[in-house]
Amino acid sequence: NAGVTQTPKFQVLKTGQSMTLQCAQDMNHEYMSWYRQDPGMGLRLIHYSVGAGITDQGEVPNGYNVSRSTTEDFPLRLLSAAPSQTSVYFCASSRNVGQDEQYFGPGTRLTVT
Amino acid sequence: GNSVTQMEGPVTLSEEAFLTINCTYTATGYPSLFWYVQYPGEGLQLLLKATKADDKGSNKGFEATYRKETTSFHLEKGSVQVSDSAVYFCALADSNYQLIWGAGTKLIIKP
Repeated sequence: NAGVTQTPKFQVLKTGQSMTLQCAQDMNHEYMSWYRQDPGMGLRLIHYSVGAGITDQGEVPNGYNVSRSTTEDFPLRLLSAAPSQTSVYFCASSRNVGQDEQYFGPGTRLTVT
Repeated sequence: GNSVTQMEGPVTLSEEAFLTINCTYTATGYPSLFWYVQYPGEGLQLLLKATKADDKGSNKGFEATYRKETTSFHLEKGSVQVSDSAVYFCALADSNYQLIWGAGTKLIIKP
């Protein structure tokens, strides 16, 4: 199993550009989520999904869109990048919501200039 | 609301020293508690967890006990190694089963 994979590993965008961060898992997990990690702030939940066709907002959803057309894939779209979105982005999955262990991808380091 | 507070880092220790990283929480009810570890350049991975009061989670020589009376879940290890250098995150699962994260504590072990 590859686990949770994310692409790209690094990305530089100009303000106003859009892009999609890819996330895929091969563990048949129902629950997937996107976090951003900023210095001194821990992880903040952007969006999550409890299964194919179902998505919901987390703590900091503004400026991001997600979709979940398959169990495996959960892409994160930045609609119009802003410098405030400079961060490290992690995708995670777990069998279900709650007490189950979350498995994290290696992260995408995004810089918006 | 729910929150997790960790001791600020970095924490710098010599190899074979005793480690404690403090974690306290605020939550309604009795949430499950977790410690995750992030090694340099990697994603987070679960280190240990406890699901009810007085439970002790343990893994790789690390331990943490769920203390309801002090709302704490401190991480301990008796003898640290250079390979334990990483960032450690404390987290709780709230009533909606989402994880609430602490800010993370960077641990540096010197040989």
